[in-house]
Amino acid sequence: DSGVTQTPKHLITATGQRVTLRCSPRSGDLSVYWYQQSLDQGLQFLIQYYNGEERAKGNILERFSAQQFPDLHSELNLSSLELGDSALYFCASSVGLAGGHEQYFGPGTRLTVT
Amino acid sequence: GEDVEQSLFLSVREGDSSVINCTYTDSSSTYLYWYKQEPGAGLQLLTYIFSNMDMKQDQRLTVLLNKKDKHLSLRIADTQTGDSAIYFCAESSEYGNKLVFGAGTILRVKS
Repeated sequence: DSGVTQTPKHLITATGQRVTLRCSPRSGDLSVYWYQQSLDQGLQFLIQYYNGEERAKGNILERFSAQQFPDLHSELNLSSLELGDSALYFCASSVGLAGGHEQYFGPGTRLTVT
Repeated sequence: GEDVEQSLFLSVREGDSSVINCTYTDSSSTYLYWYKQEPGAGLQLLTYIFSNMDMKQDQRLTVLLNKKDKHLSLRIADTQTGDSAIYFCAESSEYGNKLVFGAGTILRVKS
């Protein structure tokens, strides 16, 4: 158990809908990262928050957004969902801001868009 | 740009050693990681190495880094059936925030 929790574990929704994925980092970790894992793209970094502020953006679509709250939990919002958004979404957390800090991953949320 | 490549599949017999290889292109890569993913599970951090190191050993795991060739390997000694999983190599730079992952190597251990 990494100490990172994600809810829900599974999500099935229809095209055009909006969903929210939730992540709680390990106790003491200030950075939260979101990654998407799909068969065709592999594991791709989406976005990072550190202590409530957005710090880095990767291949995140404009239809997706995230935020980190004062209690350090984070939410990833996916809107106008398309079939191609079906994937495993992972949250990871680390103590620090930059490289060299181990990132610990949650169990993931499997999103299926029908 | 950043790119990490791994061979896709490795099959070994129980008790043998497994060696999973990885190459990366970013010369500013400072930290290199190995993660394990079992079916239906998240990513488990196995070990990591700083670019100023050549080798790191942690119980059955040995990581070798050839910085000149940008080549990283993970050796698992006495491989067990429980080691069957997908192994991901990942890199980050000193000031980078994200991990760049390879496509993963499927390790199959035959009993």
